[in-house]
Parts: sequence; C-alpha cells; structure tokens
Amino acid sequence: EAQLVESGGALVQPGESLRLSCAASGFPFRNYWMSWVRQTPGKALEWLADIHPEGTNKLYVDSVRGRFTISRDNAKNTLHLQMDSLRAEDTAIYYCARDVGISKSSNWSFDAWGQGTLVIVSS
Amino acid sequence: EIVLTQSPGTLSLSPGERATLSCRASQGDSYLAWYQQKPGQAPRLLIYGTSNRATGIPDRFSGSGSGTDFTLTISRLEPEDFAVYFCQQYGDSLYTFGQGTKLEIK
Repeated sequence: EAQLVESGGALVQPGESLRLSCAASGFPFRNYWMSWVRQTPGKALEWLADIHPEGTNKLYVDSVRGRFTISRDNAKNTLHLQMDSLRAEDTAIYYCARDVGISKSSNWSFDAWGQGTLVIVSS
Repeated sequence: EIVLTQSPGTLSLSPGERATLSCRASQGDSYLAWYQQKPGQAPRLLIYGTSNRATGIPDRFSGSGSGTDFTLTISRLEPEDFAVYFCQQYGDSLYTFGQGTKLEIK
C-alpha cells in the first residue's frame, strides 16, 4: 500500500523560505509523477506543481511559478518542495500526492495522499 | 484554465437517502475525478475517469456525466458518507479542483 509522509511545515515570516519533504514507501516511487497540493484555511484545494518520474519535466500553477521549486530524489524515495519568498496567502496544509493517469489524455487524478504538513506565514 | 463549479454548497440529507452532487466545468472534453474528505484527513479518491470507482470504494458511489456536466451519486447514504466532496479535472497541463460540497446529516 502506498504511503506518503510529509514533513517540514512551520511558522515563518513573510519573505522567508521553507523546504518541505515527502517520504514515499510501498510503491515504486521512481515510476510515478508526483504532485504537491495545498489546502487553504478556507478549505479550497489548489494543485501547485508536479514532476516527471525522472525529474526531467516540472509543471507549476501560475501562483507559485518562480517562487516554488519541486524536486525529487529517487534514490531516497523523497519528494521536495522548496518555497521561497513566502507570503501570507501561502498559509495552508501542504499535501504530496501520487499522480495516476493515462499519458496524453485528460484522465489524471491523485490516488494516494500524505497526511499533510502545516505552513503558516505570518509576522 | 478550467473552472469547476460544484453545487449545492451544502446538502442536508438523512442516512438511507440518495445524494446527488453536481460539478460543472467551464470547458468540455475532460475526464473528472471525485474525492471525499473528512475532518482532519487528506482527500481520498473515490471516482476517476468520470465513472470508475477507485480501489476499495463501495458500489453505492457512482460517477457519471460528459462534456461540462458531471454527477456523483451516493445511492444510499451511510453515516460515514457525511463529509466534503471535491471534483477535479486535468487540462492544459494543470489540475483544477471544485470548491467542494459539504454533505451533512439532516
């Protein structure tokens, strides 16, 4: 059974940086696209970024492009999210999730999620 | 960018009743997924590819629709089904979620 465990959430000040990690187990991590998704205090879900199994292709939502960087270490079965220039509106629970779908189609979803890690950006 | 609009915002029903949740997309021709989220938990995939149940999901959950209009139906509500439900689509290299429907006990 796939298991994802996030870590690294914290209380930080606006403008600061934070690095989140997600440890994966129970499945061949190197075979899957992986994503970061956040949930705001108002409970809205927002997909942030995903990364190709080999780390060669990365996609971002406009709201974080240029500030956040997704990466992975397949040798350690770990996904990361480097978050720079944090803003108050980045306050959320951050989840890592496993992408599943059919290549070159719109049939993509998330079939495994971690428990989330809380990031609070406040002065 | 696809915008997903879920309705109603809140649905009040009793155990044993049938629940019908709606998700409307601003653009057509994409598959839809549905997730269930309970307080303090991560979302859980229920339906993918518009109508396929994820592993371990009871058959009282079903998804349907096409184009821009999609529906999640729970045929007979169990106490554990009261939760928040989100729809999701993938298109133009990004994922989009609806704002959620809260299913509460009447």
